[in-house]
Amino acid sequence: DIQMTQSPSSLSASVGDRVTITCRASQSISSYLNWYQQKPGKAPKLLIYAASSLQSGVPSRFSGSGSGTDFTLTISSLQPEDFATYYCQQSYSTSFGPGTKVDIK
Amino acid sequence: QVTLKESGPVLVKPTETLTLTCTVSGFSLSNARMGVSWIRQPPGKALEWLAHIFSNDEKSYSTSLKSRLTISKDTSKSQVVLTMTNMDPVDTATYYCARMRYSYGLYYFDYWGQGTLVTVSS
Repeated sequence: DIQMTQSPSSLSASVGDRVTITCRASQSISSYLNWYQQKPGKAPKLLIYAASSLQSGVPSRFSGSGSGTDFTLTISSLQPEDFATYYCQQSYSTSFGPGTKVDIK
Repeated sequence: QVTLKESGPVLVKPTETLTLTCTVSGFSLSNARMGVSWIRQPPGKALEWLAHIFSNDEKSYSTSLKSRLTISKDTSKSQVVLTMTNMDPVDTATYYCARMRYSYGLYYFDYWGQGTLVTVSS
């Protein structure tokens, strides 16, 4: 099975900060990588699919990049509603990363 | 408007079989390149994919749980059913169903149900 890691596991940031989260796969997954945002007590929400395609309705401050084994989710200017946990998901054999919690500094 | 809603027991005993139903609306379970997946999340932990069922009725299961899982669908009722046998307290989790979009190996979950918390305890 393909293992997914994320770094950092948590981070503290301020409103307006640029935030970058990394996801790494244990083997190449081409661009079969998606990103989700989850707030406490809520279902996850799709942000990015196919590594860099923005899901409809998601603000443009979210962007994704990468291919092969290394991927990045970037929030260009963190907003109050962005404090949440972020998960990557690979669809080569379907699994999720362990998550990155973004909280307020 | 696409919606998914999970239903099933909130409490099961160890060794029992769990049966969960996902009722969908706003799309058909026979739509090409769409399917439904089950994903769970133990309290305070990460998401774990369990199973998919595709529009052509092809199924896929988590390697680690394959022996315990069965997924099926009733297109006329717009329902997907997941059964998990031999439940254990470690299976306590919120269980989500999600609509899956797929194309040439890329799968992603664009709509999710609200989730249902299942507790395994005697």
